[in-house]
Amino acid sequence: KNQVEQSPQSLIILEGKNCTLQCNYTVSPFSNLRWYKQDTGRGPVSLTIMTFSENTKSNGRYTATLDADTKQSSLHITASQLSDSASYICVVSAPFGGSSNTGKLIFGQGTTLQVKP
Amino acid sequence: NAGVTQTPKFRILKIGQSMTLQCAQDMNHNYMYWYRQDPGMGLKLIYYSVGAGITDKGEVPNGYNVSRSTTEDFPLRLELAAPSQTSVYFCASSREGPRAFFGQGTRLTVV
Repeated sequence: KNQVEQSPQSLIILEGKNCTLQCNYTVSPFSNLRWYKQDTGRGPVSLTIMTFSENTKSNGRYTATLDADTKQSSLHITASQLSDSASYICVVSAPFGGSSNTGKLIFGQGTTLQVKP
Repeated sequence: NAGVTQTPKFRILKIGQSMTLQCAQDMNHNYMYWYRQDPGMGLKLIYYSVGAGITDKGEVPNGYNVSRSTTEDFPLRLELAAPSQTSVYFCASSREGPRAFFGQGTRLTVV
């Protein structure tokens, strides 16, 4: 069964600290892995997208890594800010059957991050 | 560019009522999706469309219907609302590629 599991479920850190969120998946075949940030009451917004051949992708203070062999990904947030408080969702894309780029998105449950001053 | 626009933002329905959640995108994306997000759960795919006139079921299609008469619009229809359909609904769209854009969501409560 295609699954995406994230840990921890929730996390509280102090402003300025770093943190790392984990994502394990069993999706096969695999198209790409994405990390989304979802603010409370808003739709998810894409942070990074990585294909099978990419090991790391950065977007400002966000750095995602991917190990396709162990089917693990992490999202590292550097020098956290209060605005980083949100849910972070790992999403793995499995092909619909046609294009290898656009596929069915399988969502993890998300990690809720709270950054405190 | 407005991106993906969903209406309404909030709605309360009585059991057995019907309604249509609207979704429109102005990016000329071929692919559109409807998801529901229940508290503490990941988003679940309800229906998707790979182009105008083409729709297909996702993981949790029961109790819903969709249509895709134009590239821009992808409405989601609830015919007989049930409490189990209380959720936040997200519409998304993407081009032929991995980047999906999400709407702001519709919070639906069925009482």
